[in-house]
Amino acid sequence: NAGVTQTPKFRVLKTGQSMTLLCAQDMNHEYMYWYRQDPGMGLRLIHYSVGEGTTAKGEVPDGYNVSRLKKQNFLLGLESAAPSQTSVYFCASKVRTSDEQYFGPGTRLTVT
Amino acid sequence: AQKVTQAQTEISVVEKEDVTLDCVYETRDTTYYLFWYKQPPSGELVFLIRRNSFDEQNEISGRYSWNFQKSTSSFNFTITASQVVDSAVYFCALDNAGGTSYGKLTFGQGTILTVHP
Repeated sequence: NAGVTQTPKFRVLKTGQSMTLLCAQDMNHEYMYWYRQDPGMGLRLIHYSVGEGTTAKGEVPDGYNVSRLKKQNFLLGLESAAPSQTSVYFCASKVRTSDEQYFGPGTRLTVT
Repeated sequence: AQKVTQAQTEISVVEKEDVTLDCVYETRDTTYYLFWYKQPPSGELVFLIRRNSFDEQNEISGRYSWNFQKSTSSFNFTITASQVVDSAVYFCALDNAGGTSYGKLTFGQGTILTVHP
């Protein structure tokens, strides 16, 4: 039982490049989330999903897209990276009937 | 809209001192959950506690204790006899737990706690 895993752990992009962050969970959780963490701002919700094939916007969705084609995976895409997207990205998941979110180890992304 | 404020950006203490981390929240909902998470230097987020809005009992777990007061919209966290291993960033978070909440968390800005030997 690996819990929540994120790929990659680190990445450096140039402005305008695209990439996809992968979040995978093996706990059969219905709900999944993407947050970004910036200094002095805590974690902010980017997008979330309440089930396979469904996604919704969070607090800071601009510049990001997501997909949940399989229940265990939640992908976060950056179509045209900008320096403002330099951040640490956390994925989380939880069962529908519980309050506790399980977080992945994070992905540190730098956009130059 | 909901909001969580952790006014203390950084706290520095010497080992064995007691330290309290403040958390003030805003929400219009009557049903909500409050959380504390720890983020050690390794970067992962560690769940510490969850409290629902109908349970104002204080909780103690070892050296950790939490004081929830709805009257002041606060959910403060105290570490007794702090240790170097307590050095971390601590986040308070709120889930309004309503039908359309879907568990979305609103986090405070975080408090960096440094415990010196």
